[in-house]
Amino acid sequence: EVQLVESGGDLVQPGGSLTLSCAASGFNIGVNYMTWVRQAPGKGLEWVSVMYADGSRYYADSVKGRFTISRDNSKNTLYLEMNSLRVEDTAIYYCARDGPSSISYYVAYFWGQGTLVTVSS
Amino acid sequence: DIQMTQSPSSLSASLGDRVTITCRASRGIGDSLAWYQQKPGEVPKVLIYAASTLHPGVPSRFRGSGSGTDFTLTISSLQPEDFATYYCQKYGSAPQTFGQGTKVEIK
Repeated sequence: EVQLVESGGDLVQPGGSLTLSCAASGFNIGVNYMTWVRQAPGKGLEWVSVMYADGSRYYADSVKGRFTISRDNSKNTLYLEMNSLRVEDTAIYYCARDGPSSISYYVAYFWGQGTLVTVSS
Repeated sequence: DIQMTQSPSSLSASLGDRVTITCRASRGIGDSLAWYQQKPGEVPKVLIYAASTLHPGVPSRFRGSGSGTDFTLTISSLQPEDFATYYCQKYGSAPQTFGQGTKVEIK
């Protein structure tokens, strides 16, 4: 069974840093597309970052240069390192994985429960 | 980057109504379009991908159509559990932009 468990969310001051973790089970993150999606309070979904199986990484313009996605295959865990945090980064951060068949590759098919990041002074 | 424009942003409908939500891409994306449903306090769930493929377990009253730049999510007969917010998303190559969302409320 695929499971994704995010952790690391916290209250942090503007300009601060935080690293989120997404612990995966039931599959090997090294062979799948993994993505981070966030949702500010009362707002819509915003795509944040993606790491493909080949290791390539991409970021939304709103976080480029401040956030870094990475993975540790030995721990089967995905990370999102967040620096220079801003008030507008306040959101629930979800990690997600793509589907099991070619037609669902690159779709946010399996989701974690999310972790809350609050940026405030 | 490709922008995804969803409409309407909200709608009110009655049980049994047919509901249609549209999503437009600023450039052609083939059929790399997914629809998600999110209820308050819950994690988003995928409903449809490849523009028209129903996720396993999703009721057949949900239907996705379109390709290229124009896409539609149709609920043929609205049920109580369908009141939620719906999002489209362009997937595949990055950025994997979401639409702004459509909140479906009870009339």
